[in-house]
Amino acid sequence: DVKVTQSSRYLVKRTGEKVFLECVQDMDHENMFWYRQDPGLGLRLIYFSYDVKMKEKGDIPEGYSVSREKKERFSLILESASTNQTSMYLCASTPTVIRDLTPAGELFFGEGSRLTVL
Amino acid sequence: SQKIEQNSEALNIQEGKTATLTCNYTNYSPAYLQWYRQDPGRGPVFLLLIRENEKEKRKERLKVTFDTTLKQSLFHITASQPADSATYLCALALSSGGSYIPTFGRGTSLIVHP
Repeated sequence: DVKVTQSSRYLVKRTGEKVFLECVQDMDHENMFWYRQDPGLGLRLIYFSYDVKMKEKGDIPEGYSVSREKKERFSLILESASTNQTSMYLCASTPTVIRDLTPAGELFFGEGSRLTVL
Repeated sequence: SQKIEQNSEALNIQEGKTATLTCNYTNYSPAYLQWYRQDPGRGPVFLLLIRENEKEKRKERLKVTFDTTLKQSLFHITASQPADSATYLCALALSSGGSYIPTFGRGTSLIVHP
């Protein structure tokens, strides 16, 4: 079974702290994503990566950065956490279909990291 | 502007009935559409994918339709059970620089009463 593991289920940080959220997948997927989920707003895409060292901004990249040094690991970084970044963060991955170079479609999600910034 | 709309109000139904959830979108031309299930405090789990050239897809008690003219997908759960209670998310795969980026609706909560 595909497994996407997020390093922390629950975190509490203080305003201004640097926060790292780690995500590891074990199925050699090319594409990885970071979403945040807030009540009433649904899942919103922060960043995604379609290859090692590649990254693309999603809909709400402000205040975040990412790192993809290895294929299996995609990290989300909050350089200076703020209270409006309190949220559930979800990592996902999906393979690329070699035949037509499109993602296979199905996203595999981790269990989420609930971050509270005080 | 681009929008994906799912009913924000919870859908309450009796066990054994068919649940029908709606996903409407505007100003998109998705390559495909997906449905996910999400339980409280957990990550979404993929259920079904339907491509733009497909009208209907089935998997066990689940059925998805996709009408690109109406810009609408319907998700049906037949013979619903209390265990089907969850939030259901639709996601549109939108082309972006050679990749397909899933964009999610806000989800609809389904509550199946025994």
